[in-house]
Amino acid sequence: DSGVTQTPKHLITATGQRVTLRCSPRSGDLSVYWYQQSLDQGLQFLIHYYNGEERAKGNILERFSAQQFPDLHSELNLSSLELGDSALYFCASSVGQVKETQYFGPGTRLLVL
Amino acid sequence: GENVEQHPSTLSVQEGDSAVIKCTYSDSASNYFPWYKQELGKGPQLIIDIRSNVGEKKDQRIAVTLNKTAKHFSLHITETQPEDSAVYFCAAKTNFGNEKLTFGTGTRLTIIP
Repeated sequence: DSGVTQTPKHLITATGQRVTLRCSPRSGDLSVYWYQQSLDQGLQFLIHYYNGEERAKGNILERFSAQQFPDLHSELNLSSLELGDSALYFCASSVGQVKETQYFGPGTRLLVL
Repeated sequence: GENVEQHPSTLSVQEGDSAVIKCTYSDSASNYFPWYKQELGKGPQLIIDIRSNVGEKKDQRIAVTLNKTAKHFSLHITETQPEDSAVYFCAAKTNFGNEKLTFGTGTRLTIIP
């Protein structure tokens, strides 16, 4: 158990819908990262937050957004969902920005029908 | 940006034999190289990492070597056991600007009893 929690574990929804994925980092960790894992794309970095502020963006679609709240939990919002958004979404956390070790949560499996 | 290549994509070894997975990276500024193990239905789990000021690191049956000049690093698992069967990912990160991990495409390791 990494100490990072993610909810829900599974999510099934329809095209065009909007969903919110939630992540709670390990106690004391200030950084939260979101990754998408699909069969043909591997693990792709989406976005990084540090202590409530966005620090870096990766291959994140404009339909996707995220935020980190004062209690340091983070939410990833996915809207206007398409079939191709079906994937595993992982959250990882680390102590800070330069402290590199990232610990991953168990993921949320999203299926868009 | 950083590009990480990982080989082989699949690897089968007899129980008790050694397994070696290799990765190359493109950005000479990368200075942190973790390895993750992902079991079916779970998030990636950090198994070992190495920083660029170190050439080799060992933890029981697992070792990682880094050749900065050639820009490649390898994971070595000795005395393999059935529970070592999983998908293994290498990754690379720099300390400048974007703190994201760039992942390799993964190696599915199967230990044959």
